[in-house]
Amino acid sequence: DTAVSQTPKYLVTQMGNDKSIKCEQNLGHDTMYWYKQDSKKFLKIMFSYNNKELIINETVPNRFSPKSPDKAHLNLHINSLELGDSAVYFCASSQGPGQSYGYTFGSGTRLTVV
Amino acid sequence: AQRVTQPEKLLSVFKGAPVELKCNYSYSGSPELFWYVQYSRQRLQLLLRHISRESIKGFTADLNKGETSFHLKKPFAQEEDSAMYYCALILGNTGKLIFGQGTTLQVKP
Repeated sequence: DTAVSQTPKYLVTQMGNDKSIKCEQNLGHDTMYWYKQDSKKFLKIMFSYNNKELIINETVPNRFSPKSPDKAHLNLHINSLELGDSAVYFCASSQGPGQSYGYTFGSGTRLTVV
Repeated sequence: AQRVTQPEKLLSVFKGAPVELKCNYSYSGSPELFWYVQYSRQRLQLLLRHISRESIKGFTADLNKGETSFHLKKPFAQEEDSAMYYCALILGNTGKLIFGQGTTLQVKP
């Protein structure tokens, strides 16, 4: 019974395409996040939603658009994919912003743009 | 500026040897720090939270505010400890988790 699940696990696509990654959590958490792990394994936050409301929006190209239809789901849509978008994208959730329990992460989506 | 620094990209030890993965932070508020572990091609998992002062899988970490450090230690490394370890700092009420660059721990037989 996966706590934070992401689909797809792998995504290979051509430059210029539009793609979406989906994330769902069944932990009853209020806050969800998207992180990007680059080729050097560096993790950087992209977005955060609390109860469907955007609360963190880092300096990310506006080709990336998150959508949270309800507090259990946070999807990431990427337009006009570029080679530099190739990375592992992790979804995560926490009980609330600033909570000391830390995050629960999904297993990641490995995006390869060719 | 808020920052987490893990100075070692790779730490290689033999099985049974002590391990210390270094983490230093820069934060003006009261820090809340974590260690996360990522086994090969798997999700990140929470290993330790400084506020709980627990020991997980033999690992401990103590917050040293004077030295602004939160080093991860284990007295006797096991091969299954080989993984990427991230130190992270949570920022106030935004819940933004800032990660260090990560340290790959390699435990040789």
